[in-house]
Amino acid sequence: DTGVSQNPRHKITKRGQNVTFRCDPISEHNRLYWYRQTLGQGPEFLTYFQNEAQLEKSRLLSDRFSAERPKGSFSTLEIQRTEQGDSAMYLCASSARLAQKGPDTQYFGPGTRLTVL
Amino acid sequence: GEDVEQSLFLSVREGDSSVINCTYTDSSSTYLYWYKQEPGAGLQLLTYIFSNMDMKQDQRLTVLLNKKDKHLSLRIADTQTGDSAIYFCAEPPYSSASKIIFGSGTRLSIRP
Repeated sequence: DTGVSQNPRHKITKRGQNVTFRCDPISEHNRLYWYRQTLGQGPEFLTYFQNEAQLEKSRLLSDRFSAERPKGSFSTLEIQRTEQGDSAMYLCASSARLAQKGPDTQYFGPGTRLTVL
Repeated sequence: GEDVEQSLFLSVREGDSSVINCTYTDSSSTYLYWYKQEPGAGLQLLTYIFSNMDMKQDQRLTVLLNKKDKHLSLRIADTQTGDSAIYFCAEPPYSSASKIIFGSGTRLSIRP
């Protein structure tokens, strides 16, 4: 399977614990995105990387959230001191800006569902 | 501001056409998208339309764009049970080179 993969698929944690999620993008894609989706809502943008550089961050990304993409391939999203309001589906997407007509299509992974008790 | 709005639910009879509507606010978006999300699955790009077009057809899907009213619609002809999903309208705002703004999604259910 050459699509975007995310691990773990599900995570249950207690309030106050730290959690880390991993995203492996499509191999030739240089752009990587994190979104958060709560029940009944569309995904909300969190942050964006081009190669290893984090170029954009949403105001939703509080100080407890940090994302990295150290070698420009996989990315991790860490949430420190989790709160119940962090419970959501965390989606990763990747894309490649090629010399082409058409949009810079973002391909999404299956997501990591976080439940904070 | 950047906002995309959709109705939350649509129920149609199998074999009928489904029409999902969306309004958006950023008139400078180059493209507008429709994504599909099935239960337990990731988002899948269904189709997109370039902002200088007013219609795009792709097999059973027809996208209509009214830039004056900032209205986008997705028509699914001959709706099948496999079309049951949540459909998201989305746009990349002019203010950002990266993110996509999604609507809250329209849940399409199919009646036999």
